[in-house]
Amino acid sequence: AQTVTQSQPEMSVQEAETVTLSCTYDTSESDYYLFWYKQPPSRQMILVIRQEAYKQQNATENRFSVNFQKAAKSFSLKISDSQLGDAAMYFCAYRSADKLTFGKGTLLTVNP
Amino acid sequence: NAGVTQTPKFRVLKTGQSMTLLCAQDMNHEYMYWYRQDPGMGLRLIHYSVGEGTTAKGEVPDGYNVSRLKKQNFLLGLESAAPSQTSVYFCASRSTIGRKNTEAFFGQGTRLTVV
Repeated sequence: AQTVTQSQPEMSVQEAETVTLSCTYDTSESDYYLFWYKQPPSRQMILVIRQEAYKQQNATENRFSVNFQKAAKSFSLKISDSQLGDAAMYFCAYRSADKLTFGKGTLLTVNP
Repeated sequence: NAGVTQTPKFRVLKTGQSMTLLCAQDMNHEYMYWYRQDPGMGLRLIHYSVGEGTTAKGEVPDGYNVSRLKKQNFLLGLESAAPSQTSVYFCASRSTIGRKNTEAFFGQGTRLTVV
């Protein structure tokens, strides 16, 4: 069974600074997809960024980028120029053929 | 677009009561999922469906049943609610058409309290 581990239950960052959230996963499959979701206090689940395992290039979406290390099974999220609106719970997720598995989440606080 | 809609948004049940949570999606998605979210536990998969008429167990299926009689609806049932089922429940759906890296779209969640 696939597992997703987020080792940082909480993180904090100063506004305008950069923060990196960690995620590792365990799988024996070669074809899979990785995602980062954001959950603000509204409880809505919002896709932040996605990465295909067969792509070596790291995905980037504006201020959000990932460091995908396939051999190490690591998928970290970097948030640059942090904004107050980035404060939320962040979930790393792994998807193979059918199932979508989530980590336990990292609560990000942004300090003004 | 309505997207993924969950009914109800809030509910309080007494131990032993039964109820059904409804998830409806209007995006013609093949895959649908039910998760529960508890503090410090992330989202855990209860059951999922890969198409109309199919269901499969996830990580924490005990105490729950599901049905997918229509492609657009995925029902989650609690036959005899227990306090351990107090949680926030999320439904999600995903398409398999086009790009393989399609993301899941989530409903707004249902907060269920069992007393």
